[in-house]
Amino acid sequence: AQTVTQSQPEMSVQEAETVTLSCTYDTSESDYYLFWYKQPPSRQMILVIRQEAYKQQNATENRFSVNFQKAAKSFSLKISDSQLGDAAMYFCACQGGSEKLVFGKGTKLTVNP
Amino acid sequence: DTGVSQNPRHKITKRGQNVTFRCDPISEHNRLYWYRQTLGQGPEFLTYFQNEAQLEKSRLLSDRFSAERPKGSFSTLEIQRTEQGDSAMYLCASSPASGVTDTQYFGPGTRLTVL
Repeated sequence: AQTVTQSQPEMSVQEAETVTLSCTYDTSESDYYLFWYKQPPSRQMILVIRQEAYKQQNATENRFSVNFQKAAKSFSLKISDSQLGDAAMYFCACQGGSEKLVFGKGTKLTVNP
Repeated sequence: DTGVSQNPRHKITKRGQNVTFRCDPISEHNRLYWYRQTLGQGPEFLTYFQNEAQLEKSRLLSDRFSAERPKGSFSTLEIQRTEQGDSAMYLCASSPASGVTDTQYFGPGTRLTVL
């Protein structure tokens, strides 16, 4: 079984600045995958970035990157050059041992102009 | 690729009524998932299908809940004798099942309100 904890219910960032969202997880699986999903207000959830646990290199997708610390079971998301369109709920999720995703409670990101 | 679609987008019902939601996955996606999301929480897994076979069900899926995917394409989620605690957003996702672990693509959800 997996658990995912997002300790920051809300975060805010100035446009063009950088923000980091925290996530810790726990799993007994040796093979697992970690994800960050974005859920804009009243819109559907979309994948931001994924990380395979067996890969040591941190995943990056344009302005989004992760800091994956396997021993610490930490998986933070860094958003660089924040844009107004980045404002959303961000969910961290873990998948291992089965097909289901286990999500954290989410972090609401506000981007201030 | 038209994305995952869900209908209806909103449903208001009275306690004790039955409701049914439909999910159409991305074409040729073999796996289909149902999640429930309550206010202020992340989505919680309910069940998933590989083609028409229901392979995993959460303990959250009480006897009042039933899901089907009869031809391995669209899926329905039925809730019988709805309760106020069933009020939530019901999310559907699909994945291609082409690898060990595939990205799940989510639909817009069906928001259920039980009065």
